[in-house]
Amino acid sequence: AQTVTQSQPEMSVQEAETVTLSCTHDTSESDYYLFWYKQPPSRQMILVIRQEAYKQQNATENRFSVNFQKAAKSFSLKISDSQLGDAAMYFCAWVSGNTGKLIFGQGTTLQVKP
Amino acid sequence: DSGVTQTPKHLITATGQRVTLRCSPRSGDLSVYWYQQSLDQGLQFLIQYYNGEERAKGNILERFSAQQFPDLHSELNLSSLELGDSALYFCASTPGVSRTDTQYFGPGTRLTVL
Repeated sequence: AQTVTQSQPEMSVQEAETVTLSCTHDTSESDYYLFWYKQPPSRQMILVIRQEAYKQQNATENRFSVNFQKAAKSFSLKISDSQLGDAAMYFCAWVSGNTGKLIFGQGTTLQVKP
Repeated sequence: DSGVTQTPKHLITATGQRVTLRCSPRSGDLSVYWYQQSLDQGLQFLIQYYNGEERAKGNILERFSAQQFPDLHSELNLSSLELGDSALYFCASTPGVSRTDTQYFGPGTRLTVL
């Protein structure tokens, strides 16, 4: 089974600092899509950012950006100028095959310290 | 607000019972995905429906079933409930079945089996 791995169960960052969350996958497909979702204490799943594998340019959404290394099958999320509201669990996910189903990593809990 | 609604928000029931979880997709979306989030299994894909037809199946137990109605809302039926079925159940929707579509999640239904 194809998997997504988040090796950092917990991370912490000081407010206004930058933090990077790691994610790797093991798909052998050449064309795929990767996502980061945020799950705050409310438990709602909120899309943070998505990356198309065929695009060489890394996706950016305001303070959130990805570092996509296709050969290394790595898809890390960088959060700049961290805010207290960024505290949440973050999941990376990969869209599998033709079904569109998401395969999720185990999640990383991010703590933001004031 | 993602536009996806789920009812009820919370459900508490006893082992052996049967429950029905309901999901209404975003306006215009034809595809519905169901996911289960539990402490031991993480976030797992259960099943997908597109325009009333089952399209993909994941790790869904035989005690669980789902359907999508002509008005496109979907229901997930869980029967002969066990303690281990306690989890957060999410649905997500997309316009079609392309894996390029971003899945937007509902707020989830928290099921507690006592």
